[in-house]
Amino acid sequence: AQSVTQLGSHVSVSEGALVLLRCNYSSSVPPYLFWYVQYPNQGLQLLLKYTSAATLVKGINGFEAEFKKSETSFHLTKPSAHMSDAAEYFCAVSDAGGTSYGKLTFGQGTILTVHP
Amino acid sequence: ETGVTQSPTHLIKTRGQQVTLRCSSQSGHNTVSWYQQALGQGPQFIFQYYREEENGRGNFPPRFSGLQFPNYSSELNVNALELDDSALYLCASSLAQGGNSPLHFGNGTRLTVT
Repeated sequence: AQSVTQLGSHVSVSEGALVLLRCNYSSSVPPYLFWYVQYPNQGLQLLLKYTSAATLVKGINGFEAEFKKSETSFHLTKPSAHMSDAAEYFCAVSDAGGTSYGKLTFGQGTILTVHP
Repeated sequence: ETGVTQSPTHLIKTRGQQVTLRCSSQSGHNTVSWYQQALGQGPQFIFQYYREEENGRGNFPPRFSGLQFPNYSSELNVNALELDDSALYLCASSLAQGGNSPLHFGNGTRLTVT
């Protein structure tokens, strides 16, 4: 069984500050890992994905995440927060063996607030 | 390129009724998945359809059922609605059924059961 834990349901940063959203996963097989962002009253938009290539993954809007197998982590970072980054962020895991047929297991989400 | 579209955007139903939600996949995508997102929670996998057949299901009772049509559009049907079925229902399409094929989500249907 797979699971995702996002540490911190709410994160607040100042504009221009570093953004760090934490994600730890549990998977019995090599995972695929994803970060999605959700703006109010909208669906989820893919930020980036890890699929067993480079461990440092760059995504859209200046976000990146690093896969650390030893720590079972996939934390999301952005060097400088912008007001438009305020949204809810979800980490998700899918198994690489294909048996889940693309089923994603999501974390509970982290709401990012950016202060001027 | 047309994205994933869902209809209706909002819906209010009474406990015990039945509801059908609709989804048009992104152009070229042959796989569709449905997720339930309760308020304040992450999305939960309901099921996935590939080539008009269900090929993966989450922990949801049989009163949740679906269809995929030859044009890859899809329906989610929920019978005997319960208050706990109130949620945002998200449809997502992808190019393939594999685990690394990114899902493209629609904006969802907000279902309220009273």
